[in-house]
Amino acid sequence: NAGVTQTPKFQVLKTGQSMTLQCAQDMNHNSMYWYRQDPGMGLRLIYYSASEGTTDKGEVPNGYNVSRLNKREFSLRLESAAPSQTSVYFCASKPGQGEGGEQFFGPGTRLTVL
Amino acid sequence: EDQVTQSPEALRLQEGESSSLNCSYTVSGLRGLFWYRQDPGKGPEFLFTLYSAGEEKEKERLKATLTKKESFLHITAPKPEDSATYLCAVREGNTGFQKLVFGTGTRLLVSP
Repeated sequence: NAGVTQTPKFQVLKTGQSMTLQCAQDMNHNSMYWYRQDPGMGLRLIYYSASEGTTDKGEVPNGYNVSRLNKREFSLRLESAAPSQTSVYFCASKPGQGEGGEQFFGPGTRLTVL
Repeated sequence: EDQVTQSPEALRLQEGESSSLNCSYTVSGLRGLFWYRQDPGKGPEFLFTLYSAGEEKEKERLKATLTKKESFLHITAPKPEDSATYLCAVREGNTGFQKLVFGTGTRLLVSP
């Protein structure tokens, strides 16, 4: 099992460009998450998906959109990138749709917006 | 609003020098406190979940404990490979879905 995979690992964008961060898990998990991690801020939830076909906003959703393409894949799109979106982005997944269980994280995508 | 504060921000230990990391939280009814380890350039890796005051969990040189206001991660006789950032998180809100609020972490460096 590869676990949670993310592509790309690194990306540099210019202000106003768009891009999609890809995430896939091979553990048959129902729940998936997108976080961003900034120095001194901790991990903050952008969007989550409790199951295939459903998505909901987290703490910092502005400037982002998501798609739960199928049970395996959960993508994060930046329509018009801004320097404030420079961050490290992590995708995570969890078995089940409820409260319990641990989240499994991917290796991250390091995004710089110039 | 649920909040998580971790201290110290950074900790340097000699190999074998035991210590503790602190995670204090303010939530309206704790429904789970989580500890994760994060190595540089990698995603967080799950360590423990604690649910009620008095609960303890152990894994190798690590032991996590929980009170009504805080959690401690005790590191006994640490080795250089224990160097990492340790993150604490609590479950947020009253929904049946798991959403976590993370602290900013404690960076631990263990020198040989």
